[in-house]
Amino acid sequence: DGGITQSPKYLFRKEGQNVTLSCEQNLNHDAMYWYRQDPGQGLRLIYYSQIVNDFQKGDIAEGYSVSREKKESFPLTVTSAQKNPTAFYLCASSIAVGEDTEAFFGQGTRLTVV
Amino acid sequence: AQSVSQHNHHVILSEAASLELGCNYSYGGTVNLFWYVQYPGQHLQLLLKYFSGDPLVKGIKGFEAEFIKSKFSFNLRKPSVQWSDTAEYFCAVGDYKLSFGAGTTVTVRA
Repeated sequence: DGGITQSPKYLFRKEGQNVTLSCEQNLNHDAMYWYRQDPGQGLRLIYYSQIVNDFQKGDIAEGYSVSREKKESFPLTVTSAQKNPTAFYLCASSIAVGEDTEAFFGQGTRLTVV
Repeated sequence: AQSVSQHNHHVILSEAASLELGCNYSYGGTVNLFWYVQYPGQHLQLLLKYFSGDPLVKGIKGFEAEFIKSKFSFNLRKPSVQWSDTAEYFCAVGDYKLSFGAGTTVTVRA
């Protein structure tokens, strides 16, 4: 089945540790996105990537980093610099950025930092 | 910068009632507009989308939305809701990036 796979579903980390969230897609989409979802704030864009080896900061990129070495993979690292990392993280992909196309979402990873 | 505003944070209604969720956006260019839904425990999925053409768009599960350019609005409607419509609804606007509103939680009581 085609889709977006995020892993793990739940993740716990100690404060001060970096953690990497996985996102893989087999839809052959060029564009990929990372969002953070907090209650009452909707989805806020962290990073997005239009093509391999290229990515752009979204609205709340501070404390996060990404890489796009392969078309199908777009991992997100939550660094110790992120002041409030506990949240629900969603990965998405679309055929391309800036065109009339929809985004498809993964199931999300709930990160809890203790 | 583009932004999306959803008028209601939480809507509670009974089965068979009509639903309308407000969405306004601010963006100067050509807009692509979306409504996404997140059912409890499920991933976000597309309800409907508007790119061009007929401003009244129909989506899945009996939902429709009307794009009113002069009002920068893209309100979602359903004439008669069911208990299974209980979910969180997000309006989004996209061009080079996809921006979401804060979401509206809809609770339908049987």
